Amino acid sequence: GQNIDQPTEMTATEGAIVQINCTYQTSGFNGLFWYQQHAGEAPTFLSYNVLDGLEEKGRFSSFLSRSKGYSYLLLKELQMKDSASYLCAAMDSNYQLIWGAGTKLIIKP
Amino acid sequence: GAVVSQHPSWVICKSGTSVKIECRSLDFQATTMFWYRQFPKQSLMLMATSNEGSKATYEQGVEKDKFLINHASLTLSTLTVTSAHPEDSSFYICSARDLDSGRDIEQFFGPGTRLTVL
Repeated sequence: GQNIDQPTEMTATEGAIVQINCTYQTSGFNGLFWYQQHAGEAPTFLSYNVLDGLEEKGRFSSFLSRSKGYSYLLLKELQMKDSASYLCAAMDSNYQLIWGAGTKLIIKP
Repeated sequence: GAVVSQHPSWVICKSGTSVKIECRSLDFQATTMFWYRQFPKQSLMLMATSNEGSKATYEQGVEKDKFLINHASLTLSTLTVTSAHPEDSSFYICSARDLDSGRDIEQFFGPGTRLTVL
C-alpha cells in the first residue's frame, strides 16, 4: 500500500534549527512536496524534490533520498510565524498526491 | 501567477439543504482540479479528481451522489454537497494544476471553504 509517515508534533525554540522527517512508500514516484499550513488556512507550497539531494530556498531546505524513501524539511533561524503544520506529500505514478498527516511545529520564544 | 479562488469562504446551513462551492483558477487554465476535505487536526483527504469536460473520479468511500462535482470549463469546478448533515461539516479545499506553467505537477490550492451544517 501507499503510506507517508511524519512525526505528529515537534517543538523548537525561536532562532534555532529544526528538521522534520518524512518517509514514504508509493506506487511509483514522481516527486516529494512539502507544504506549510496555518490553522484554518489552505496549504501553501514550500518545496518540490524529484532528484536526490538538497534544495535550498532561503531559510527552508528540503532533502530527498529516493533509494531510502526519505525526505526532510529543514527550517533555519526559526521565527514565531513558522508555527504551523508541515505536510509531506509524495506523488505516485498516477501523479496523485499521497499526503502525510502533517507535523505540527510549535515554536517557543 | 497560479492563483486559485474559492467561494464562499465559509457557509453555515441547515441540515438537509444543499451547498455549492466554487473553485476558480484565476490566471491559468486547469484541466485537472482536486477536491479535498480536512477535518480538524487531520491531514488533507482527497475526495475526487475533476477533469474538464468529463466525469469526476471519486476516491473510495466518497459518495458521488452526495458530493456532486462539475468541471464545466478550464477555470471553474464546483462541488455541491447535497442534503448536508452535521457530519459533513468540514474544511473543503480545492486545488488545480497549471499545465502550461512548466510546473505542471504542482498543485495550487484555493483558500478553502469552511462548511458548518447545523
